[in-house]
Amino acid sequence: EVQLVESGGGLIQPGGSLRLSCAASGFIVSTNYMTWVRQAPGKGLEWVSLIHSNGDIYYADSVKGRFTISRDSSKNTLNLQMNSLRAEDTAVYYCAKGKYCTGNTCSFDPWGQGTLVTVSS
Amino acid sequence: EIVLTQSPATLSLSPGEGATLSCRASQSVRSYLAWYQQKPGQAPRLLIYDASNRASGIPARFSGSGSGTDFTLTISSLEPEDFAVYYCQQRTNWPLTFGGGTKVEIK
Repeated sequence: EVQLVESGGGLIQPGGSLRLSCAASGFIVSTNYMTWVRQAPGKGLEWVSLIHSNGDIYYADSVKGRFTISRDSSKNTLNLQMNSLRAEDTAVYYCAKGKYCTGNTCSFDPWGQGTLVTVSS
Repeated sequence: EIVLTQSPATLSLSPGEGATLSCRASQSVRSYLAWYQQKPGQAPRLLIYDASNRASGIPARFSGSGSGTDFTLTISSLEPEDFAVYYCQQRTNWPLTFGGGTKVEIK
């Protein structure tokens, strides 16, 4: 069964750093398209970043230069290093696997259960 | 950035009724549009990909149509478990974008 489990969320002060991880089972992270999507409390979905199976990486403008997506093949995990955090980064962060992909993008399924990041002093 | 506008924001219906949800794109996304369902406290679930294809395990009462800038998600007869928020998402251009969502609530 394909499963994703996020971890690493928590309360962090503005300007701080946090590293999220997404542990995958049932498939190999490095051979799939993987993405991070976030959802601020009571709001809609916002795409954050995507890493292709070939290693190409894309970011939303709102996080470019502050967030870094990566994968750890030895642990079969997807990671998101978040630096210079702001209050507006407060959200539940979901990782998701690319499915039904053509070209360099995908629809996403399944999704993990999410991890909450709260940026506040 | 492609903006996706979903309407209506809220749809109040009774179980057994049909639902029609709209997603309009600010420019053509060809057929690269997906629909997701999200229930309270849960992660989104993919329903429809590439405008009209049901994802694996999705019941036949869910169907998608459209191309270019106008898309529709239809639920033929609402089951109690279908009351949720629905999002559309385009994958034609970067950044990937989602619509603001339509909440289907029990009338």
